[in-house]
Amino acid sequence: DVKVTQSSRYLVKRTGEKVFLECVQDMDHENMFWYRQDPGLGLRLIYFSYDVKMKEKGDIPEGYSVSREKKERFSLILESASTNQTSMYLCASSPPGVRYGYTFGSGTRLTVV
Amino acid sequence: TQLLEQSPQFLSIQEGENLTVYCNSSSVFSSLQWYRQEPGEGPVLLVTVVTGGEVKKLKRLTFQFGDARKDSSLHITAAQPGDTGLYLCAANTNAGKSTFGDGTTLTVKP
Repeated sequence: DVKVTQSSRYLVKRTGEKVFLECVQDMDHENMFWYRQDPGLGLRLIYFSYDVKMKEKGDIPEGYSVSREKKERFSLILESASTNQTSMYLCASSPPGVRYGYTFGSGTRLTVV
Repeated sequence: TQLLEQSPQFLSIQEGENLTVYCNSSSVFSSLQWYRQEPGEGPVLLVTVVTGGEVKKLKRLTFQFGDARKDSSLHITAAQPGDTGLYLCAANTNAGKSTFGDGTTLTVKP
């Protein structure tokens, strides 16, 4: 069964901490994405990557960075966590192009206190 | 960023009823996906539609892509409690990115 695995389902972090969210896919997909999902705001794209060591800013990159050192792994980094980064974080992957749709992970519910 | 509007925002129906949810935009898209998301989980892809006027069926679910490729609908026949969830549409541009609608939250009561 093909999968996108996010390392944590729930995380609680303190304001100012550096936070790493890990995502691994086993489908050999070129494209990987990080979204956050908030009530009333839908899914918003943070960063995406079309290849190893390649990254592009999405719609809301401020306060975040990413790393893609290997094809299967795409990490989201909150450099200094703030309470307004409390959210559901979703990782997704896809083959080249978008017509095939995304495979999403189960999400990480991050709470920053 | 293209706006993608989904309606209705919330829908609560009895088991056995039929329903239709809509996804509309003023922009033309190369393709469009529908996803279902259950609480605490990530969205799961249901279908991709590519051709204007295309109709796809998945058991009791019927998906249609508008002739002009600006809108889509999802029709569920004889809804069941297992259909409960958030239904999201995602429209794709030739630039290779997806825009998600805010979703329709469907509750099917036994």
